[in-house]
Amino acid sequence: AQRVTQPEKLLSVFKGAPVELKCNYSYSGSPELFWYVQYSRQRLQLLLRHISRESIKGFTADLNKGETSFHLKKPFAQEEDSAMYYCALSSYYGGSQGNLIFGKGTKLSVKP
Amino acid sequence: DVKVTQSSRYLVKRTGEKVFLECVQDMDHENMFWYRQDPGLGLRLIYFSYDVKMKEKGDIPEGYSVSREKKERFSLILESASTNQTSMYLCASSLNRTPSTDTQYFGPGTRLTVL
Repeated sequence: AQRVTQPEKLLSVFKGAPVELKCNYSYSGSPELFWYVQYSRQRLQLLLRHISRESIKGFTADLNKGETSFHLKKPFAQEEDSAMYYCALSSYYGGSQGNLIFGKGTKLSVKP
Repeated sequence: DVKVTQSSRYLVKRTGEKVFLECVQDMDHENMFWYRQDPGLGLRLIYFSYDVKMKEKGDIPEGYSVSREKKERFSLILESASTNQTSMYLCASSLNRTPSTDTQYFGPGTRLTVL
């Protein structure tokens, strides 16, 4: 079964501390993984995707196929990083392509 | 900039009413999606569409239907609203069927309350 697990509902860190939001997936094929973010009173938007291997707003995420993980990391958290973060897996099933399976989300709170 | 708009930000309806949620995108995207977002449950896919007049069920289609008569518009219909359909509804669109490049663009959401 295709599944995305985000084990933490809430993660609270202090400003300047490292942050890691965990994401594990279950997928039989070659996965395409994404992180989406929703800031307060804003719409959900793409943060980064694994295939781009990019750093966005200081965040990086590495796909670890052995551990089936795609954890989101930032070395020094900022207050403006406070948001809801969703890990998502691109899924094929039947004749359809391009759907996303979302995790349940982790709310990151960065305290001053 | 991709713009995905939803007809209402807040909606209050009564049990048994028929409810229409409208979504419009202005970037000629092929794909459109309807999700509901609930605390602790994340985003769950209700229906999606890859083409005009085409629809496919997502993970939780029960109690919902959709309509896509034009490429830019995707409507979600609650045939007979119930209190357990109180939720935030998100519409999204994406350009094509290649997942590695297929960013989904989301609307602002409609918070529906069913009394």
